[in-house]
Amino acid sequence: DAGVTQSPTHLIKTRGQQVTLRCSPKSGHDTVSWYQQALGQGPQFIFQYYEEEERQRGNFPDRFSGHQFPNYSSELNVNALLLGDSALYLCASSFRGIPLYEQYFGPGTRLTVT
Amino acid sequence: KNQVEQSPQSLIILEGKNCTLQCNYTVSPFSNLRWYKQDTGRGPVSLTIMTFSENTKSNGRYTATLDADTKQSSLHITASQLSDSASYICVVSANTGGFKTIFGAGTRLFVKA
Repeated sequence: DAGVTQSPTHLIKTRGQQVTLRCSPKSGHDTVSWYQQALGQGPQFIFQYYEEEERQRGNFPDRFSGHQFPNYSSELNVNALLLGDSALYLCASSFRGIPLYEQYFGPGTRLTVT
Repeated sequence: KNQVEQSPQSLIILEGKNCTLQCNYTVSPFSNLRWYKQDTGRGPVSLTIMTFSENTKSNGRYTATLDADTKQSSLHITASQLSDSASYICVVSANTGGFKTIFGAGTRLFVKA
């Protein structure tokens, strides 16, 4: 039973570029949440997808967008990258968007913007 | 404002010793509280999850307590091991019509031989 997987593991981009991160949820899960974690900080909630729609969103600008596919996998897109976007991006999956159900995190994608 | 504050920010202990990490929150209406362990550069792994009616929950050498009246939680680690070196993150969820999850900044624990 595969857990949450994310790709790529590491990524280096230049300011102004665009990036797409990918996440496959744990088997049996239908909800995907994305988080940004700066060095030494706790994760910050970006948004959550369920039934291919964005259900909740944190305090992130419109440069951050996402998508969920029929197989429940998800993408996080960030446009016009800024140096401050450098962080570990975590994907977490759960069942039906209810937080009491356990959230399983992926290993993360380390994004470096130069 | 919904907030989760953890203390201490970092902690160094000797292998075999016990330690207690603290979490205070102002999140409401409270739904549940979780403790996660996060190794450097890895995703968080769940240790415990507690709802309003639960006071204590254990997972091996990890024991979490919850006082919903004072809005405080603690994570006690018994007989620490070198592999316990990690960040421990307190996460509180609120039922605000849609669920809202707030993460603490974490406590960085270093266990030394």
